[in-house]
Amino acid sequence: GDSVTQMEGPVTLSEEAFLTINCTYTATGYPSLFWYVQYPGEGLQLLLKATKADDKGSNKGFEATYRKETTSFHLEKGSVQVSDSAVYFCALVPYAGAQKLVFGQGTRLTINP
Amino acid sequence: ETGVTQSPTHLIKTRGQQVTLRCSSQSGHNTVSWYQQALGQGPQFIFQYYREEENGRGNFPPRFSGLQFPNYSSELNVNALELDDSALYLCASSPWTSGGAGELFFGEGSRLTVL
Repeated sequence: GDSVTQMEGPVTLSEEAFLTINCTYTATGYPSLFWYVQYPGEGLQLLLKATKADDKGSNKGFEATYRKETTSFHLEKGSVQVSDSAVYFCALVPYAGAQKLVFGQGTRLTINP
Repeated sequence: ETGVTQSPTHLIKTRGQQVTLRCSSQSGHNTVSWYQQALGQGPQFIFQYYREEENGRGNFPPRFSGLQFPNYSSELNVNALELDDSALYLCASSPWTSGGAGELFFGEGSRLTVL
């Protein structure tokens, strides 16, 4: 079946550190890939997406590249800020026209000043 | 532009009872999806509504049911509540494009506790 596996958290970093959150997926079709973020007290928000192999999604300094050969979509940021503290979810839509998002379990990120 | 709003924000029920959760979609969005998020887990797809009809369902039993109204708002009903139904229930809306699944706008959720 379709599934997403994220690196286990929580992750704690200092401000200005480099961030990587690993995400791998299993899909029977040709999925689109997403990162969603949940800030404290807020609803889930789309952070970035990629719809085909080698696409790079980017937003707010975060980037992730759709790697079909390694079935991965790792999230990176060069210099994190305290305001990036949140829970990050990797997700996929299994194929074009599918009605559901399949989420990973989430990774809690805390940035210390 | 009004975002997705859900009510109630918190509620407590006892096993065997029934619950109704409500969702107003973002302006201009005609597709509504519901997700269940257990503590420490990612959201799981319950079902999607489009044009007032169920348009896809996840691995949830029939006691989970829904409605979508002409103004695109929606309800999630859960009958015969079980302890494992305790979770955050998320509503998400989107415009209908390619199934409307990927780029969702989520509400803050309704936290249900079943005792």
